[in-house]
Amino acid sequence: AQSVTQLGSHVSVSEGALVLLRCNYSSSVPPYLFWYVQYPNQGLQLLLKYTTGATLVKGINGFEAEFKKSETSFHLTKPSAHMSDAAEYFCAVSGLGNKLSFGAGTTVTVRA
Amino acid sequence: DGGITQSPKYLFRKEGQNVTLSCEQNLNHDAMYWYRQDPGQGLRLIYYSQIVNDFQKGDIAEGYSVSREKKESFPLTVTSAQKNPTAFYLCASSPGQGAGTLNQPQHFGDGTRLSIL
Repeated sequence: AQSVTQLGSHVSVSEGALVLLRCNYSSSVPPYLFWYVQYPNQGLQLLLKYTTGATLVKGINGFEAEFKKSETSFHLTKPSAHMSDAAEYFCAVSGLGNKLSFGAGTTVTVRA
Repeated sequence: DGGITQSPKYLFRKEGQNVTLSCEQNLNHDAMYWYRQDPGQGLRLIYYSQIVNDFQKGDIAEGYSVSREKKESFPLTVTSAQKNPTAFYLCASSPGQGAGTLNQPQHFGDGTRLSIL
């Protein structure tokens, strides 16, 4: 079975500051990991994914994440926050049957 | 453009009533999924289907039913047995579950918000 823990349900950053969202996973098989973003009253949009190969993954909107097997982590970062980054972010792990297990989500607020 | 269409965007249910949420995709995906989203709980899997005429229960299937008669369509019925149906419902699809597809992300619709009258 697989599961995801996102540390911190709310993160507030200043515009231009680093965004760091933490995700730890548990999986009985080599994991496929995903970060999604959700804007109010909308569906989820894929930011990036890790499958195999390079452990630093770059995604859309300037986000990137690093897969660290030894720490079972897949933290999401963006060097400089923009007002448009205000949203809810979900980490997910895919296991057997391509079923996704989601974290509880982290809401990002960006201060001007 | 290819994508997933959920309708209606907002839905209200009366006591004792069944309601059906529509999900249609034109991505030619084999697999489709229904999730329920509640504040602070992330997404929880209700039902999923890997192929036409077949579907499996997810983690919270009680009070819900689905059908998969066509590849493009995966409607969800919220029955009167679901005592707490107020939530945001999301439909998703992915290419499938064969070899080489497990790393493909799921694509999501824009959701249906269900409330109790």
